[in-house]
Amino acid sequence: QKEVEQNSGPLSVPEGAIASLNCTYSDRVSQSFFWYRQYSGKSPELIMSIYSNGDKEDGRFTAQLNKASQYVSLLIRDSQPSDSATYLCAVNGAYNQGGKLIFGQGTELSVKP
Amino acid sequence: DAGVTQSPTHLIKTRGQQVTLRCSPKSGHDTVSWYQQALGQGPQFIFQYYEEEERQRGNFPDRFSGHQFPNYSSELNVNALLLGDSALYLCASSSTGAPYEQYFGPGTRLTVT
Repeated sequence: QKEVEQNSGPLSVPEGAIASLNCTYSDRVSQSFFWYRQYSGKSPELIMSIYSNGDKEDGRFTAQLNKASQYVSLLIRDSQPSDSATYLCAVNGAYNQGGKLIFGQGTELSVKP
Repeated sequence: DAGVTQSPTHLIKTRGQQVTLRCSPKSGHDTVSWYQQALGQGPQFIFQYYEEEERQRGNFPDRFSGHQFPNYSSELNVNALLLGDSALYLCASSSTGAPYEQYFGPGTRLTVT
């Protein structure tokens, strides 16, 4: 079982729709969760961090965390063609694993005009 | 506010050679992590440096080594290059107070022929 799993996609949504990206993780003691956006040929960009159960909103982005189900999601409202990218879910290891981030393989999102 | 910088941008090496990649962290950050990202995959943790010491290491062979300087900048060295070392090498910086919120540099694309 992979430590962090994401659907590779591609996920295709029309412009203006809500894009829903999902991630599951295997280490129950994980404490910090992140979403990165990576455009083709570029490096990952941190767009959301979430540390406690529930929702966290930042502009058009909402991160959702459910530690009991070991599930993290990212919702993108009013999707724009500029949101087309690969979205990486990252999870830190146990507290004694320092700053190591474990990444999923990423979900490719395509927003069609 | 300068972000994370990396050099060089691209590098082509021959199998068996050695390579050194460089990274300067974001202003105010004191921790540097290195990741390897193969095409179509999420970044894989190589190691992390803090206070000029390797604090944590991922599942990479001893051919991968690093260093952190007093000004917090860092180097990644790879000896005896293999074809499989071809990848995007990413440096991420963070601060002691938030070691998991890591910000990536633009990366170095290494091609081994």
